[in-house]
Amino acid sequence: NAGVTQTPKFQVLKTGQSMTLQCAQDMNHEYMSWYRQDPGMGLRLIHYSVGAGITDQGEVPNGYNVSRSTTEDFPLRLLSAAPSQTSVYFCASSYDWPADEAFFGQGTRLTVV
Amino acid sequence: AQKITQTQPGMFVQEKEAVTLDCTYDTSDPSYGLFWYKQPSSGEMIFLIYQGSYDQQNATEGRYSLNFQKARKSANLVISASQLGDSAMYFCAMRLNTGNQFYFGTGTSLTVIP
Repeated sequence: NAGVTQTPKFQVLKTGQSMTLQCAQDMNHEYMSWYRQDPGMGLRLIHYSVGAGITDQGEVPNGYNVSRSTTEDFPLRLLSAAPSQTSVYFCASSYDWPADEAFFGQGTRLTVV
Repeated sequence: AQKITQTQPGMFVQEKEAVTLDCTYDTSDPSYGLFWYKQPSSGEMIFLIYQGSYDQQNATEGRYSLNFQKARKSANLVISASQLGDSAMYFCAMRLNTGNQFYFGTGTSLTVIP
């Protein structure tokens, strides 16, 4: 069983380039989210979605776009990469209920030079 | 406003000893869930244990237990009989009934000493 599949695992971008981080889950979860993890700052929410066609901003949304056209997929787009976006990115999914844990992808280590 | 606080950036514990990782939270929502995740050096996030705000008993999962003190708004993770494989970063998280977002703390790095 795949769970949450996140690609790529590693990526190096030049400043100003754009790219899309892919996230797919096969658990029929309504809730999907993207986090960035920086040293000493824990996981900070970028964007989230409670279902297909519904997205909302989290704590640090600037510079990122998302869409949710299907239940399974929740891609994260970096519009114009900046060195401040160097981070580890995690996609997570869960059922839409406070008692349900989040399932995480393997993470993407992004470096912007 | 910080909703989850983990005040211990790093902790050390002797192998086979117990260790408590602290977590306090802040919410006025009466319905919420509290979670602990483990992140080993390989980077994946592993779910450990869950406690609901209305649960009367402290949650336990094998060597993990959650010391839930609602009045103090604390949800400390207790790891009994520490093993070398417990060396990792540990994150406390809260999920509210409103919005259903997860809020994570900054983490505690645990090192188990042989």
